[in-house]
Amino acid sequence: QVQLVESGGGVVQPGRSLRLSCAASGFTFSSYAMHWVRQAPGKGLEWVAFISYDGDKKYYADSVKGRLTISRDNSKNTLYLQMNSLRAEDTAVYYCARERIVGATVDSWGQGTLVTVSS
Amino acid sequence: DIQMTQSPSTLSASVGDRVTITCRASQSISSWLAWYQQKSGKAPKLLIYKASNLESGVPSRFSGSGSGTEFTLTISSLQPDDFATYYCQQYSSYSRTFGQGTKVDIK
Repeated sequence: QVQLVESGGGVVQPGRSLRLSCAASGFTFSSYAMHWVRQAPGKGLEWVAFISYDGDKKYYADSVKGRLTISRDNSKNTLYLQMNSLRAEDTAVYYCARERIVGATVDSWGQGTLVTVSS
Repeated sequence: DIQMTQSPSTLSASVGDRVTITCRASQSISSWLAWYQQKSGKAPKLLIYKASNLESGVPSRFSGSGSGTEFTLTISSLQPDDFATYYCQQYSSYSRTFGQGTKVDIK
């Protein structure tokens, strides 16, 4: 079955960097577009970034543009989120999610990894 | 960006009640709308895709309708397992905005 496992979260100081990973299994990773979605404590879901199946297309929420970078390594079945110049408002659980090939619905989610930006 | 507005923000209901949640888009999104259920501390779960299509394995008491800018999620007879927060999400544009969520709690 589809499995997405995020890792790399933790406590980081403002202005520092962090890289999240999402290990995919149970499906042909290289055929699927992927997303990162985050959820601040006690708040709603916020879409963060999208990457096409081949990595050619990338889109970002305005709130993270220029600071967060989505990438993937299809040979390792892994999705990444490089987070630079972190701010307190980036504190959230970060989920990776798979987009269905036909119809573009996000249909599978990982369990999330918590990033806390604090001095 | 397309803005998604859900109402109500909180809904108190009893087991067996019919529940309706509304989601409005700031511009037409055709039928490119999904509904998710999220329980505390868990990842969201897909319920409905393309506005009215029930995801495999989701109970038939859930249904979705609408197109253009106005959409609804209906639970025909609320069950104890349905107390959760529900989100709509548009995927008409690459900026995949969510509604702010509707928490369904016990009356």
